[in-house]
Amino acid sequence: DIQMTQSPSSVSASVGDRVTITCRASQSISNYLNWYQQKPGKAPKSLIYAASTLQDGVPSRFSGGASGTDFTLTISSLQPEDFATYYCQQSYSPPHTFGQGTRVEIK
Amino acid sequence: EVQLVQSGAEVKKPGESLKISCNSSGYSFTNYWIAWVRQMPGKGLEWMGIVHPGDSDTRYSPSFQGQVTISADKSISAAYLHWTSLKASDTAIYYCARFYGGNTDYWGQGTLVTVSS
Repeated sequence: DIQMTQSPSSVSASVGDRVTITCRASQSISNYLNWYQQKPGKAPKSLIYAASTLQDGVPSRFSGGASGTDFTLTISSLQPEDFATYYCQQSYSPPHTFGQGTRVEIK
Repeated sequence: EVQLVQSGAEVKKPGESLKISCNSSGYSFTNYWIAWVRQMPGKGLEWMGIVHPGDSDTRYSPSFQGQVTISADKSISAAYLHWTSLKASDTAIYYCARFYGGNTDYWGQGTLVTVSS
């Protein structure tokens, strides 16, 4: 199985801050990397697929990057509605493993 | 409008069987895979497997192979997750989601399964 290592596990930030979350794959996954946002008691919401393509309706303050087996999710200016848990997932080969999640908390 | 609507919460005893459903609408059901994802209380997301309703091709995570059965009925645009003998450790929220070409875009609302004696 491909292992996805996500960091940090949590981050405290203020509204307006720039936040970056990293996800590292244990082997090459090309650009088959997705990012999701989950708020308490809610289903995950798809944010980004193919490492850097925003899903329809996702604000442009979210962006995804890739370098080899390292991937990033950046929120350029944190908004109140962005406080949530974020997960990466590889969809290169089954099982499509998730990272452990990053909780973005209010500072 | 694409929608994935899951069946309601279930409370079961250990050893009982259960089948939960994910009903799809608003798109061509046979052109997309359906994935199932588990979230145990207070924990992260775990990918269980996927089914292609067009030909019933199914792939499982090794962690869930033999523990559950994933299926689909294209005549009614529904996917299923089935247990023959539940355990307390199956207590979790289960999500279905639409998958195609590496992209998981739409998710169901989740089904809470509680297994307790």
